[in-house]
Amino acid sequence: GAGVSQSPSNKVTEKGKDVELRCDPISGHTALYWYRQSLGQGLEFLIYFQGNSAPDKSGLPSDRFSAERTGGSVSTLTIQRTQQEDSAVYLCASSLNPAEKTQYFGPGTRLLVL
Amino acid sequence: GNSVTQMEGPVTLSEEAFLTINCTYTATGYPSLFWYVQYPGEGLQLLLKATKADDKGSNKGFEATYRKETTSFHLEKGSVQVSDSAVYFCALSPSSGSARQLTFGSGTQLTVLP
Repeated sequence: GAGVSQSPSNKVTEKGKDVELRCDPISGHTALYWYRQSLGQGLEFLIYFQGNSAPDKSGLPSDRFSAERTGGSVSTLTIQRTQQEDSAVYLCASSLNPAEKTQYFGPGTRLLVL
Repeated sequence: GNSVTQMEGPVTLSEEAFLTINCTYTATGYPSLFWYVQYPGEGLQLLLKATKADDKGSNKGFEATYRKETTSFHLEKGSVQVSDSAVYFCALSPSSGSARQLTFGSGTQLTVLP
């Protein structure tokens, strides 16, 4: 079956612009996670969605970052007023439910802020 | 908080050599433990996992045993191939709490030479 998909695969933007990154989780998976992979920081957790519950935003690095998940499926990560330090690969993962520990990752969106 | 400490890389081996990548963790209770692999230009793929003490995860000739007494989950392979060249990440998922975000080690770059 289809895995986690993300779009775009690459995004180049200018400092100060807003960007939106999209994630389509595996069908039927209720838990969705966003992570960031950068050279200096490794892999960091950003935000977690579970069903219709309020998201766990504890990993978001600043209030310029936000995310939503519509209809319990597709998720969008938005970065406002991008900065050069936001350049990274943004990874989305999903799992069947929180009790199922295995997370399946998408290919990521590589973001470059000039 | 939770943490994962992973053997520093990069690691360079000849084909058919024995591989060990060390991983130790800090967490309360009994977390689930994972090895993910990232091939060049690709996303994270689950390699193997173990969910309780003394479990052995295995896949594609790789093995790792969950050792509670030493809080370790070392990755081993008896005979590496050039196609195993990739970055390997050790990760844990906590046993308690509402979210199950993964905590990753820093990654180990493996290069296998023919």
